[in-house]
Amino acid sequence: GQQVMQIPQYQHVQEGEDFTTYCNSSTTLSNIQWYKQRPGGHPVFLIQLVKSGEVKKQKRLTFQFGEAKKNSSLHITATQTTDVGTYFCYFAYGQNFVFGPGTRLSVLP
Amino acid sequence: EADIYQTPRYLVIGTGKKITLECSQTMGHDKMYWYQQDPGMELHLIHYSYGVNSTEKGDLSSESTVSRIRTEHFPLTLESARPSHTSQYLCASSELGQGAKYFGPGTRLTVT
Repeated sequence: GQQVMQIPQYQHVQEGEDFTTYCNSSTTLSNIQWYKQRPGGHPVFLIQLVKSGEVKKQKRLTFQFGEAKKNSSLHITATQTTDVGTYFCYFAYGQNFVFGPGTRLSVLP
Repeated sequence: EADIYQTPRYLVIGTGKKITLECSQTMGHDKMYWYQQDPGMELHLIHYSYGVNSTEKGDLSSESTVSRIRTEHFPLTLESARPSHTSQYLCASSELGQGAKYFGPGTRLTVT
C-alpha cells in the first residue's frame, strides 16, 4: 500500500532560524497539498502543488514538488512564534486519501 | 475562512449512549469528510461522501455511520459510545476533484 513519511516528526527551533519539513511518498503523485494546524485548532489549507519541480512561495514559506513527484518540502525562512503548529502534507491516489503523520514545529522566542 | 460548522463543540457522554455529531457547510461543496484526531497526532479518515446519497468508508469506519441526505449536511453517528471513542472529530468539505479541504472547528468527545 501507499507509504507516506514526513520528516522530522518534531522540530524545535529558535525564533529567526529556518525550518524545513519533508514529505516522501512510495509512489508517484498527481498533486500534493500542505496544511497547517495550530495547537488546539483545525487544519488550514496552505497550498497545492501539481507540476513536477514546481516551486511556490507565500511570504516566508517556500513549497517545492520533487522532479519525480514523489516528494515535497515546505521551508520556512526566519521562523516566528506564529509559525508554531503541525504541518501536514496530503495527497490522493486512486480512491484513497492520505494525510502524512505531520511535523510538529515549536519556536522558542 | 470557510463556512463549515460543527456541533456540539464539546461533549461528555457515558458509555453505551448513541450520539450524533453534526456538520454543515454553506459553500455548496459536493465532497465531505469525517476525520478522527487525537491531540497532536495523525488524522484518520472515518467516512467521506461525494455528494447526496453517496457515503464511503475510510480507515476507522466500523463503529460509526454517516448519511448525506442534503448537500450541506453530513452527520456522524456512533451507535454505542465507548471510552476508546474519546477523541476530536473533524469535519471537512471540498469541491469535486482534488481541491483544498476546509475543516470545521471540531467536536471534542469524551466518553466516560
